[in-house]
Amino acid sequence: EAQVTQNPRYLITVTGKKLTVTCSQNMNHEYMSWYRQDPGLGLRQIYYSMNVEVTDKGDVPEGYKVSRKEKRNFPLILESPSPNQTSLYFCASSAWTGGAFSGANVLTFGAGSRLTVL
Amino acid sequence: QQPVQSPQAVILREGEDAVINCSSSKALYSVHWYRQKHGEAPVFLMILLKGGEQKGHEKISASFNEKKQQSSLYLTASQLSYSGTYFCGAQTSYDKVIFGPGTSLSVIP
Repeated sequence: EAQVTQNPRYLITVTGKKLTVTCSQNMNHEYMSWYRQDPGLGLRQIYYSMNVEVTDKGDVPEGYKVSRKEKRNFPLILESPSPNQTSLYFCASSAWTGGAFSGANVLTFGAGSRLTVL
Repeated sequence: QQPVQSPQAVILREGEDAVINCSSSKALYSVHWYRQKHGEAPVFLMILLKGGEQKGHEKISASFNEKKQQSSLYLTASQLSYSGTYFCGAQTSYDKVIFGPGTSLSVIP
């Protein structure tokens, strides 16, 4: 089954304790992205990657790191989490045809990871 | 910059129609529409491209006014299963889609 898998689904941690949220897709998609969802703010993009070793900042990258060493994986790293990073996080992936989004580039989202930082 | 969605929330009775609007201050390459049910991931509904091409579910209709940078999603003869939060995604550059804050839709019997 084609899917995007995120882990963990739920996590409670404390300020300053490094954590990684993993994201893996089995669709051979070039494009992967991380979003955070907060009430009233919708989905805000944190980082995205257009292919292996190619990453770029989204709208809210502060406090986050990413890496894309393999095509299927795109982990989100919080080096020193703070309470304002308490949120629902989604990873998404898409095919990348013709060098730009087109009608083929549907985003497939993972099930989400709910993170609480105390 | 996030696109603006209106209304923020709407409550419908089964069988009623609704329109959700999305507008951007920047020129758009395309507009995406997704629906998220409570506790679930957003799910694709439709992509509308410049030039009129569309891709999406048969029972969903939408429009895209390229000159005004606006899109509307039309939900007709609503069903209980239409309940959820609807997000529009504005593609304002070749490599990213920026989502709006969402419109909460509740369909009641």
